[in-house]
Amino acid sequence: DQQVKQNSPSLSVQEGRISILNCDYTNSMFDYFLWYKKYPAEGPTFLISISSIKDKNEDGRFTVFLNKSAKHLSLHIVPSQPGDSAVYFCAATLYGGSQGNLIFGKGTKLSVKP
Amino acid sequence: KAGVTQTPRYLIKTRGQQVTLSCSPISGHRSVSWYQQTPGQGLQFLFEYFSETQRNKGNFPGRFSGRQFSNSRSEMNVSTLELGDSALYLCASKPGTSNYNEQFFGPGTRLTVL
Repeated sequence: DQQVKQNSPSLSVQEGRISILNCDYTNSMFDYFLWYKKYPAEGPTFLISISSIKDKNEDGRFTVFLNKSAKHLSLHIVPSQPGDSAVYFCAATLYGGSQGNLIFGKGTKLSVKP
Repeated sequence: KAGVTQTPRYLIKTRGQQVTLSCSPISGHRSVSWYQQTPGQGLQFLFEYFSETQRNKGNFPGRFSGRQFSNSRSEMNVSTLELGDSALYLCASKPGTSNYNEQFFGPGTRLTVL
């Protein structure tokens, strides 16, 4: 039973345009969400996060939107650059002291074409 | 600050053998988590250690075990290796004082079981 789902295995975008990566979750108890980027042969790199008390968080070209009623979050990259080509993972976590692990989606491979 | 380091980077073992993987967290980080990444299952949480104690555990068989030392370095052990244990094993660290801290990942150890 997948609690965090990234339904698009891949996405191709032209350089300079917007990339939108989507993520859905099923557990309404999740209260913190993160996006990671992963290049081949490297570990995931933290990009941006959002608490469930917010609906938007921005950091430079990256913006994460959270829609709690729809249990949906998205990552917007504007403008997209070829160096953004990587696999993007959405992750969620639970508050509660002992529940500190991250639950990941299976990732979306983003290709940004020059 | 130096990042999370993992050794070895690559490992080849045969079925039935055991293996020990090592992780050195970022200086000052007391929480170390281990994840398994496979093409079919994505990134799955194995366990988390904090101050030498296992604080959280994923849904993996008892063949997977770990420990943490007083300097926060962690080891993961897999006994009686199976073909399905072939995966990228990732270690992640965070300060550990709050569940809202993002985790910082190492480059991973690629384990191949023949």
